[in-house]
Amino acid sequence: GENVEQHPSTLSVQEGDSAVIKCTYSDSASNYFPWYKQELGKRPQLIIDIRSNVGEKKDQRIAVTLNKTAKHFSLHITETQPEDSAVYFCAASLLGSSNTGKLIFGQGTTLQVKP
Amino acid sequence: DAEITQSPRHKITETGRQVTLACHQTWNHNNMFWYRQDLGHGLRLIHYSYGVQDTNKGEVSDGYSVSRSNTEDLPLTLESAASSQTSVYFCASSESNRGTLNSPLHFGNGTRLTVT
Repeated sequence: GENVEQHPSTLSVQEGDSAVIKCTYSDSASNYFPWYKQELGKRPQLIIDIRSNVGEKKDQRIAVTLNKTAKHFSLHITETQPEDSAVYFCAASLLGSSNTGKLIFGQGTTLQVKP
Repeated sequence: DAEITQSPRHKITETGRQVTLACHQTWNHNNMFWYRQDLGHGLRLIHYSYGVQDTNKGEVSDGYSVSRSNTEDLPLTLESAASSQTSVYFCASSESNRGTLNSPLHFGNGTRLTVT
C-alpha cells in the first residue's frame, strides 16, 4: 500500500521568510496530492491540492510542486505570517474508477513563524 | 449548511471497556473515513467505507470496527479499549468520484479519547 514520508517534523522561520515542506510517496499509481493545515485544537482543512498531470500549482502565497519521476512533492509558503503557524500534512491518494479517495497522510510538520 | 459531527468531543474510559464514537454527516457523501492522530505519526487511517454496507480496513485497524447501515453515519467501536488507543480520533467524508474529479476530505472536529 501507499506510504508517505514528510520532512521536516518541525520548522521555525522568521516572519517574511519562506517555508518549504517536502513529502515522498511510494505508490507510483497515486495521482492526487492534497495539503492540509491544522491549527491548534482544530480540524485539518484543505489548503491546496495537485493532480499528477500538473507539475506546479499556486494560490497566492502557497504553491505546491510535484515530481512524479522522483515521487516527491513539496509545499512552498512565501512571505510567511504568524497566522501560518500550524501543523501541515501532506497526503497521497489514487482517484479513479475503483478507488474513490482514500488518503494516506504524512507524519505532519509543525511550522512556527516568529514575529 | 452541510456538516460532519462527531460525538462525544471528549471521552474517558477504562481499559477493557467497549467504546463507540459517533460520526454523522449531512453532506450526503458516500465515502467516510476514521483516522487517529498521534504525535509523530500524523493521521493514520483506521477504517473506511465507500457506501452503505461497505467497510474496509485501513493502516491501523486492529482493535477497531465500523458498520455502515446508512449514508449519514459511520460509528467507530473499540471492542476492548486499551491504553494504546488513547488518541484524537477524526472522522471525515468525501464525495465519490469517477475519473478526474477532486475529492477533498471534510473533517469533523475530533474526539479526544483517554483510556485509563
